[in-house]
Amino acid sequence: EDQVTQSPEALRLQEGESSSLNCSYTVSGLRGLFWYRQDPGKGPEFLFTLYSAGEEKEKERLKATLTKKESFLHITAPKPEDSATYLCAVRSYNTDKLIFGTGTRLQVFP
Amino acid sequence: EAGVTQSPTHLIKTRGQQATLRCSPISGHTSVYWYQQALGLGLQFLLWYDEGEERNRGNFPPRFSGRQFPNYSSELNVNALELEDSALYLCASSLAGQGETQYFGPGTRLLVL
Repeated sequence: EDQVTQSPEALRLQEGESSSLNCSYTVSGLRGLFWYRQDPGKGPEFLFTLYSAGEEKEKERLKATLTKKESFLHITAPKPEDSATYLCAVRSYNTDKLIFGTGTRLQVFP
Repeated sequence: EAGVTQSPTHLIKTRGQQATLRCSPISGHTSVYWYQQALGLGLQFLLWYDEGEERNRGNFPPRFSGRQFPNYSSELNVNALELEDSALYLCASSLAGQGETQYFGPGTRLLVL
């Protein structure tokens, strides 16, 4: 069964303190791995799509990487406005739906 | 370019009533997806529509249903509402084809009293 596990559940960082969020997945044939950012009470905002192991994508202070078993979202020198819940999701060849992890709630303090 | 839009933003119903939620996809997107996000839980896949047809559904009872119109907008209907149906309902759209990125709307907050 396709499964996504994100860790840690919550992360508190000081402004400028770099860190990484982890997304471990089990899927029968990866069709895509997706990272989203979600602010409270709002819909998820698309960040990255990764399709194959070794692929990397960057956007401002965020960098997503992918291996055969997990993905990392690296946050470099975060700012308070990066505070949000970061969601990871996978799509497999067997199903046409996104399987989401429960997210990592990131808080960045000035 | 306009993103995915959903209406209403909030909806309050009582147990046993029916709720109808609406979604307009990004222009050019033919696939529409519905997800439920209950408080403290992750997003759960509900339904996928493409070209007017239901392509897949998640592990939800039949009282959750929907349709897609010729202009690709979509409607989610929830019959015989239960307290546990209270959640944020999110609609997403994508271009045709599996693996395409899904873009989400702001959601409809449904409260069942």
